[in-house]
Amino acid sequence: QKEVEQNSGPLSVPEGAIASLNCTYSDRGSQSFFWYRQYSGKSPELIMSIYSNGDKEDGRFTAQLNKASQYVSLLIRDSQPSDSATYLCAVKGSRGGSQGNLIFGKGTKLSVKP
Amino acid sequence: DTGVSQDPRHKITKRGQNVTFRCDPISEHNRLYWYRQTLGQGPEFLTYFQNEAQLEKSRLLSDRFSAERPKGSFSTLEIQRTEQGDSAMYLCASTEGQRGLHFGNGTRLTVT
Repeated sequence: QKEVEQNSGPLSVPEGAIASLNCTYSDRGSQSFFWYRQYSGKSPELIMSIYSNGDKEDGRFTAQLNKASQYVSLLIRDSQPSDSATYLCAVKGSRGGSQGNLIFGKGTKLSVKP
Repeated sequence: DTGVSQDPRHKITKRGQNVTFRCDPISEHNRLYWYRQTLGQGPEFLTYFQNEAQLEKSRLLSDRFSAERPKGSFSTLEIQRTEQGDSAMYLCASTEGQRGLHFGNGTRLTVT
């Protein structure tokens, strides 16, 4: 099992719709979770962090965490064409040699159609 | 806050040559990370420092790769005897405490 799994997409949504991005992880001891946005040819940009079960909202973005199910999601409300990018889920490792680093999924490519 | 700075932005080298990249983190950040990213993949962890101490190194990192962070400020990543498989974007990131990482613009390496 891969450590952090995401559907690679592409996920296509119409402008104004809600985009839902999902991520599962294998390290049950992980406590810190992050979402990054990466435009083509650019470096990842941190958009959300979440540490506790439940929802965390920041503007049009909502991160959801369910540690029992080892599941993290990102909702983007009122999607805009400028949201078109690859979204990377990252999980902070908790065991052995991975305690300090962030483990990234492959990313989900989102396309918002005008 | 001037962000994480990486140099050079692009590097083209011939197979077998050595290359060195530099990263200047955000000044108050004590942790510095190196990642590698290839097309269609997420960033892959290489190594990280807390201040000047190298605390973790990926098992995937061959002995041709070495990183340093003298005095706990900037860091360098050296690749010796480059191979075509080393072609990738090399990303540096920094953070403080348990917060998320802030990435630089990366160094794109092409080995011909």
